[in-house]
Amino acid sequence: DVQLVESGGGLVQPGGSLRLSCAASGFTFSTYWMHWVRQAPGKGLVWVSRTNSDGSSTSYADSVRGRFTISRDNTKNTLYLQMNSLRVEDTAVYYCARSHPRFDYWGQGTLVTVSS
Amino acid sequence: QSALTQPASVSGSPGQSITISCTGTSSDVGGYNYVSWYQQHPGKAPKVMIYDVSKRPSGVSDRFSGSKSGNTASLTISGLQAEDEADYYCSSYTTSFTYVFGTGTKVTVL
Repeated sequence: DVQLVESGGGLVQPGGSLRLSCAASGFTFSTYWMHWVRQAPGKGLVWVSRTNSDGSSTSYADSVRGRFTISRDNTKNTLYLQMNSLRVEDTAVYYCARSHPRFDYWGQGTLVTVSS
Repeated sequence: QSALTQPASVSGSPGQSITISCTGTSSDVGGYNYVSWYQQHPGKAPKVMIYDVSKRPSGVSDRFSGSKSGNTASLTISGLQAEDEADYYCSSYTTSFTYVFGTGTKVTVL
């Protein structure tokens, strides 16, 4: 079965950094584009970033470009999101998702809270 | 990267049909046939219900259908059931290898 398991969320102060991980299993990770999608408490889904299958091409939402970096390690079947210069408005549940190109599998999400 | 526009809420009685619209631009919904729809129950991860405008994944009820005209996509749920009560989001591939989600619609079964 396909599984995506996020980790690394937590409480961080404004201006701080955090790295999220997404461990993938049950499929050939290296052949799929992967994404991060976030959802602020009580709000809608927002696409954050994507990487192609080998990590050579990435894209970002305007709201995180220059602060967040998506990467992947296909030898470890793991997707990452390095988040720097965090803002209060980055508080959200962060989901990793596989695309095909629809988002066909999602993780359970990891909560990031940015607060002083 | 503006969110696609959806109605905030739609409601219907059991057995009725409802339609949720998703309006974008020629750079997203109107420019590609990569529109998908997601159902999200409280506290759960989203689940794809429709992809590539009108295709249904295996295991999704045929009561769910999708279509597109110009810059607006639509999701129709026929034979509304209590279990359909959830939030629904559209999504579209856009230019520059990015994606965008809709603002979300809360479906209430009366």
